Amino acid sequence: QKEVEQDPGPLSVPEGAIVSLNCTYSNSAFQYFMWYRQYSRKGPELLMYTYSSGNKEDGRFTAQVDKSSKYISLFIRDSQPSDSATYLCAMSKTSYDKVIFGPGTSLSVIP
Amino acid sequence: GAVVSQHPSWVICKSGTSVKIECRSLDFQATTMFWYRQFPKQSLMLMATSNEGSKATYEQGVEKDKFLINHASLTLSTLTVTSAHPEDSSFYICSASKRQYGQPQHFGDGTRLSIL
Repeated sequence: QKEVEQDPGPLSVPEGAIVSLNCTYSNSAFQYFMWYRQYSRKGPELLMYTYSSGNKEDGRFTAQVDKSSKYISLFIRDSQPSDSATYLCAMSKTSYDKVIFGPGTSLSVIP
Repeated sequence: GAVVSQHPSWVICKSGTSVKIECRSLDFQATTMFWYRQFPKQSLMLMATSNEGSKATYEQGVEKDKFLINHASLTLSTLTVTSAHPEDSSFYICSASKRQYGQPQHFGDGTRLSIL
């Protein structure tokens, strides 16, 4: 079993749709949960992070962490074509520990 | 703005040459830097962890004599791919963290390495 699992997609949605991205993990020691967005030929850009369980909202983005189920989610409301990218979930034990990435989900938002 | 800078962004070189990639932490002193490699349509895979002033820790399967990492200061780490071959062609990405920072790592924009 991989440490972090994520549906690779591709996922295609119409503009304005709500997008739901999910990951599961196996290591209960993870405490930091991140979502990165990666455009083609660029490094990953930190979108949101959550420490331990709970929800966090930032504009159109909401991150949820359920440690009891080892399940994290990212919701994108009112999706825009500019949201088209690969979304990587990632997690680590501490803020300065190595980051374990999921395989990434390719998202296309169609105008 | 960017907090981690990587240079060069793209390099093409002949097989057998050595290539050096720089990773700089711009906004803070990074106690730890990480080097990742990403093949097309795959996720990032950690290669090594670099702590300032000490030897890097390599992940299983990564040749430490081929991928030389130096972390001489709190703002600079370098990755040297020695005697590069076409199979080393990949996207190399660094990240930086600070133990007391309490924030997730920030990543550089990556270096695309093409070996002919």
